[in-house]
Amino acid sequence: GAGVSQSPRYKVAKRGQDVALRCDPISGHVSLFWYQQALGQGPEFLTYFQNEAQLDKSGLPSDRFFAERPEGSVSTLKIQRTQQEDSAVYLCASSLDRGRRESEAFFGQGTRLTVV
Amino acid sequence: GENVEQHPSTLSVQEGDSAVIKCTYSDSASNYFPWYKQELGKRPQLIIDIRSNVGEKKDQRIAVTLNKTAKHFSLHITETQPEDSAVYFCAATFNDMRFGAGTRLTVKP
Repeated sequence: GAGVSQSPRYKVAKRGQDVALRCDPISGHVSLFWYQQALGQGPEFLTYFQNEAQLDKSGLPSDRFFAERPEGSVSTLKIQRTQQEDSAVYLCASSLDRGRRESEAFFGQGTRLTVV
Repeated sequence: GENVEQHPSTLSVQEGDSAVIKCTYSDSASNYFPWYKQELGKRPQLIIDIRSNVGEKKDQRIAVTLNKTAKHFSLHITETQPEDSAVYFCAATFNDMRFGAGTRLTVKP
C-alpha cells in the first residue's frame, strides 16, 4: 500500500480480554515504532524495531504488553488482560532509515482501543 | 532515555500573527528533530524537520531553529491562518523518536 496501515481502526474490548493490533508499514521501511496516545496528549513511546529486532521496549507500560515483528515487515502489538487504563489510540509509524537515524517517520491512522 | 518538553501547551493567536512553540530535549546524542501537525481524529503529519548539522530551516511560512548547545529547538509559524489550527508535536530522535506533549494552536479569524 501507499502508506502505513493499521487494523482494526476501532476495537472495543471487555476488561480482561486479550487484543492484537496490527501494523503494516510502508514496504521497505526498516524502522517501526509503536506509540500510545491518550486523549489530548502527545504520542508516548512504547517500542521500536529495526527490521525484526526489537531494539527498545522501554516504553511498554507492563508485562501485559508485547510487540513482535517476526519477518521485519508487519508488526503486532498484543495487550493481555486489558484494563480500562489501556484505553487510548495506538499509533504505528515507520521510516526508511537505511542505516541513518534521520528519516521521516510516517504514521498510520491508529487503532482506537476502548476497554469497557 | 530521551525526554522532550514542549511549551506552551495551548496557544491562541489572531489570524496574521506569528506563533512560536518551543521544545527542549535531554539526550545530546539526538540528531534529528521533526515537527508534526495533528488535526482532530487524524494521524500526525510531518510539517518540517531539522538535522543536527543545521541551525535553521525555513519552508514558506514555517521555520525551525535548533540550538544544540542549549538543547532546544523552536517552531515558528508566520502569517497564521485559521487552517493552521491543530495540535503540534515536536520530537527528538537518536535511535528512537520521542515526542513532546503537544501544543494546541488556535488561530482566530
